[in-house]
Amino acid sequence: EAQVTQNPRYLITVTGKKLTVTCSQNMNHEYMSWYRQDPGLGLRQIYYSMNVEVTDKGDVPEGYKVSRKEKRNFPLILESPSPNQTSLYFCASSPPTGAMNTEAFFGQGTRLTVV
Amino acid sequence: AQSVTQLGSHVSVSEGALVLLRCNYSSSVPPYLFWYVQYPNQGLQLLLKYTTGATLVKGINGFEAEFKKSETSFHLTKPSAHMSDAAEYFCAVSDPWSSARQLTFGSGTQLTVLP
Repeated sequence: EAQVTQNPRYLITVTGKKLTVTCSQNMNHEYMSWYRQDPGLGLRQIYYSMNVEVTDKGDVPEGYKVSRKEKRNFPLILESPSPNQTSLYFCASSPPTGAMNTEAFFGQGTRLTVV
Repeated sequence: AQSVTQLGSHVSVSEGALVLLRCNYSSSVPPYLFWYVQYPNQGLQLLLKYTTGATLVKGINGFEAEFKKSETSFHLTKPSAHMSDAAEYFCAVSDPWSSARQLTFGSGTQLTVLP
């Protein structure tokens, strides 16, 4: 089954304690990205990656890091989480560009609370 | 730059009534357009998309949307609402010429279906 898997689904942490949210896809997609979802703001892109070792900032990258060492994995790293990073996070992957390959596949989400 | 406006953060309809969720976009190039649905505690699922060709697009679960370039709109409709349609709906756009493949989302519309 084609899917994007995020872990953990729920996480409560304290300010300043480094954490990593993992994302893995089994569709051999080149493009992966991270979004955060906040009430009234929809989803906003944090970082994206167009291929292994190729990453770039989205609209709200401050406080986040990513890496893409393997095609299937795209972890999101919060080096020093702060309460304003409390949010619902989604990982997504997409096939190569082309009019027929435009759909983004989303993970189930990770609800992060920073206290 | 692209932007998406969804009119109405909350919409309530009676079961069996017409569903109309509004989406207007701003884009410097003809965009790709999407509607995603999010059920409670789940990720986003693609309902339908417009890339090229026929401007009336049919999606899953009886939903459809019409791309109107002159109105920069992509409203989502369903002739008869069902209780299972209760969810949050997101309109999104992307630039087909961008290798970044970024999706720009609206703020979402929460659909409530009343018995």
